[in-house]
Amino acid sequence: KQEVTQIPAALSVPEGENLVLNCSFTDSAIYNLQWFRQDPGKGLTSLLLIQSSQREQTSGRLNASLDKSSGRSTLYIAASQPGDSATYLCAVANQAGTALIFGKGTTLSVSS
Amino acid sequence: DTAVSQTPKYLVTQMGNDKSIKCEQNLGHDTMYWYKQDSKKFLKIMFSYNNKELIINETVPNRFSPKSPDKAHLNLHINSLELGDSAVYFCASSDRGKSYEQYFGPGTRLTVT
Repeated sequence: KQEVTQIPAALSVPEGENLVLNCSFTDSAIYNLQWFRQDPGKGLTSLLLIQSSQREQTSGRLNASLDKSSGRSTLYIAASQPGDSATYLCAVANQAGTALIFGKGTTLSVSS
Repeated sequence: DTAVSQTPKYLVTQMGNDKSIKCEQNLGHDTMYWYKQDSKKFLKIMFSYNNKELIINETVPNRFSPKSPDKAHLNLHINSLELGDSAVYFCASSDRGKSYEQYFGPGTRLTVT
């Protein structure tokens, strides 16, 4: 059974720092991996999707990598800003692509 | 022009009642989902529908019954509500032709008293 773990559970950094969020999963037979952002009381916003055949994806200050063989992904946030404060969720899709299995998230707080 | 919409946004009801949550997507996607986010904020898949057919049912009590009248809609009906059903329910959609990237609705916060 697929399990997704995110480390750390919470992170506080001053504005301007570069940071890395970690995600690991137990079964490498995945269709893709998505990183989401969730603000308090809000829905999920898709940040990046990495297909199982890809190694990384970039969007603005965000870069996500995928090492499927070792069951790991990282989300790199460059030059963090207070507006980046949110919970970041990692999710892997089952092999058919028809369900996401989520980690418990990393809650990020960026202070000005 | 919201991509995935849910109604209602909030739902407060008493134990034993029956309630429905509606979801609509205007993205032309072929797959829709229901997820449950519990009090500890953990998200878990409940159901997955592809072209109106149920393809995933993740050990959800029979009191929960999804219904997909067409590809753009996936409703969730809950019978005999229990205190433990209190959670935020998210609808999502994706498309095989777009790498199954999932787009989520704003959520429905269900409170059972």
